[in-house]
Amino acid sequence: QSALTQPASVSGSPGQSITISCTGTSGDVGGYNYVSWYQQHPGKAPKLLIYGVTNRPSGVSNRFSGSKSGNTASLTISGLHTEDEADYYCSSYTSYSTYVVFGGGTKLTVL
Amino acid sequence: QVQLQESGPGLVKPSETLSLTCTVSGGSISGYYWSWIRQPPGKGLEWIAYIHDNEKKKKRKSLKSRVTISVETSKNQFSLKLSSVTAADTAVYYCVRQPSDTAAFDIWGQGTMITVSS
Repeated sequence: QSALTQPASVSGSPGQSITISCTGTSGDVGGYNYVSWYQQHPGKAPKLLIYGVTNRPSGVSNRFSGSKSGNTASLTISGLHTEDEADYYCSSYTSYSTYVVFGGGTKLTVL
Repeated sequence: QVQLQESGPGLVKPSETLSLTCTVSGGSISGYYWSWIRQPPGKGLEWIAYIHDNEKKKKRKSLKSRVTISVETSKNQFSLKLSSVTAADTAVYYCVRQPSDTAAFDIWGQGTMITVSS
């Protein structure tokens, strides 16, 4: 099964907002409200930012928000900080054989 | 707070079996789902398998024949064995907690780099 489709890179300036898309199929993103988003800094483990499409774990800034429309989920980061520069991965529960499918990752550059 | 720590050999020879252990501290291993996820150098994430209370297990279909996952509740540990490894299995391996069976991973270990090479 193919990975979820994310843009390879996005960029923004401090204070701006950016959105990262994550496109799947009706067998994963479109069929279940089990989309998650992760932030990964170089050499570090991923950190859960969003689960269940829109939910933030305790301690995650409300500058991070998630949404979904059809087969595409989105992560929006508002009021960009320089420390937001990282790789971002989406994931979804899937009815296919892999149980969970990840996106290929998006590198966010804060200019 | 709950912390996870992977332990493993670092280097494994081709065709051998990779064995990894994850020690859970700061909380009980019971009641949660515990997964292994790997990340080849410079690439994305790949889920491998999960175990829940030593009753429910699920494995990635493409790895199913090579993967064994187990839990030792008395030691608050869970383990992964991956047999017949090749260079394609070279990756950082993470042990991860899932609060439920909804494919969201809330607590991650720091990861351990495993290189398959002779």
